[in-house]
Amino acid sequence: EAGVTQSPTHLIKTRGQQVTLRCSPISGHTSVYWYQQALGLGLQFLLWYDEGEERNRGNFPPRFSGRQFPNYSSELNVNALELEDSALYLCASSFRPTGGYHNEQFFGPGTRLTVL
Amino acid sequence: GQNIDQPTEMTATEGAIVQINCTYQTSGFNGLFWYQQHAGEAPTFLSYNVLDGLEEKGRFSSFLSRSKGYSYLLLKELQMKDSASYLCAVSPYAGNNRKLIWGLGTSLAVNP
Repeated sequence: EAGVTQSPTHLIKTRGQQVTLRCSPISGHTSVYWYQQALGLGLQFLLWYDEGEERNRGNFPPRFSGRQFPNYSSELNVNALELEDSALYLCASSFRPTGGYHNEQFFGPGTRLTVL
Repeated sequence: GQNIDQPTEMTATEGAIVQINCTYQTSGFNGLFWYQQHAGEAPTFLSYNVLDGLEEKGRFSSFLSRSKGYSYLLLKELQMKDSASYLCAVSPYAGNNRKLIWGLGTSLAVNP
């Protein structure tokens, strides 16, 4: 079974530019989560999509946005890039959480974004 | 606020046992996760605790005490490949809010 895939693996941009990152979840998973992992910092929750809808977002400015497509793949868009956006962006997927409990999140390999 | 504390670094010897602690202060509690992350790789799921007690899974066990806001991950018969960062994450919210609060991770070095 194929795991979570992300593209591209690495990206170099300059300040002010825009970037789009892509994620394909594991087949059968409807939930996609985006995280930012900056050097020396923990995983920071960005966005959660399920069934095509944004269900929750973390404490990030509106220039971080995304969407989920009918096939459950997802894009993360970052506008007006800043130097501090340099980080590893991880995508994870899971079955739709049911009841009060969580389902295990499976992570993709990440996209390493460098902003110069 | 929401806060998770883990030791930054630990060192252990191959074949030994190591315990990685995690303490949390969150507005609520709906479960605690442990993930393993090798350098340059994505985190992989190790365990999920929502009730008090010990969950054993092979060489790895995870313990939770909700009253103390405390968990630990126990790794037995350490192997070199266990050298990695171990991340503790807590879900503070019930219902459909699936936001997780993550610790900074504990970097474990296993020496021969």
